Amino acid sequence: DQQVKQNSPSLSVQEGRISILNCDYTNSMFDYFLWYKKYPAEGPTFLISISSIKDKNEDGRFTVFLNKSAKHLSLHIVPSQPGDSAVYFCAASALQRTSGSRLTFGEGTQLTVNP
Amino acid sequence: NAGVMQNPRHLVRRRGQEARLRCSPMKGHSHVYWYRQLPEEGLKFMVYLQKENIIDESGMPKERFSAEFPKEGPSILRIQQVVRGDSAAYFCASSPPVGTGYGYTFGSGTRLTVV
Repeated sequence: DQQVKQNSPSLSVQEGRISILNCDYTNSMFDYFLWYKKYPAEGPTFLISISSIKDKNEDGRFTVFLNKSAKHLSLHIVPSQPGDSAVYFCAASALQRTSGSRLTFGEGTQLTVNP
Repeated sequence: NAGVMQNPRHLVRRRGQEARLRCSPMKGHSHVYWYRQLPEEGLKFMVYLQKENIIDESGMPKERFSAEFPKEGPSILRIQQVVRGDSAAYFCASSPPVGTGYGYTFGSGTRLTVV
């Protein structure tokens, strides 16, 4: 039962253009969403997050959009840079105040930014 | 302020041997999580621990796998009688106490290879 899905295993964009990574979820209890970036042989690093009470959060070149009715979120990177090439994971949490913030991850999207 | 420390980075075990993976959380973090990433897949939750307590082990295989987070020392993920299917990257993450924010930090992982 894949509660968080990233349907695109890979995405290739030109440097300077916009990268749009998509994520869908099925569990209505999820109330916090995160994007992680992962380089080979390293652990995931936190990129940006959004609470379910918002529909947009922006941090520099990175913007996350949340559409609760569609159970869909997306990560926009603009302008894309070659250093952004990595695997991007979408993750979701149903904050359980008695048990901490367990995350459910999507399968990841390999982003390649071509110079 | 050191991040989440995992060791060893690489571990090779023969089928039937035991594997011990260690994780030292960030200073001030009292929650530890273990995730497993199989080849070509996303990260899957295994277990959530606080000091001397297992809070949620719903993602742990029922047999051969165990985890602990003692009062002193690192958290340990133990896999007994390893099989080839246990080959994966195992990531540990730590976070501060619930209610103090989503300071979820991952270590660099231990790559287990079973031969």
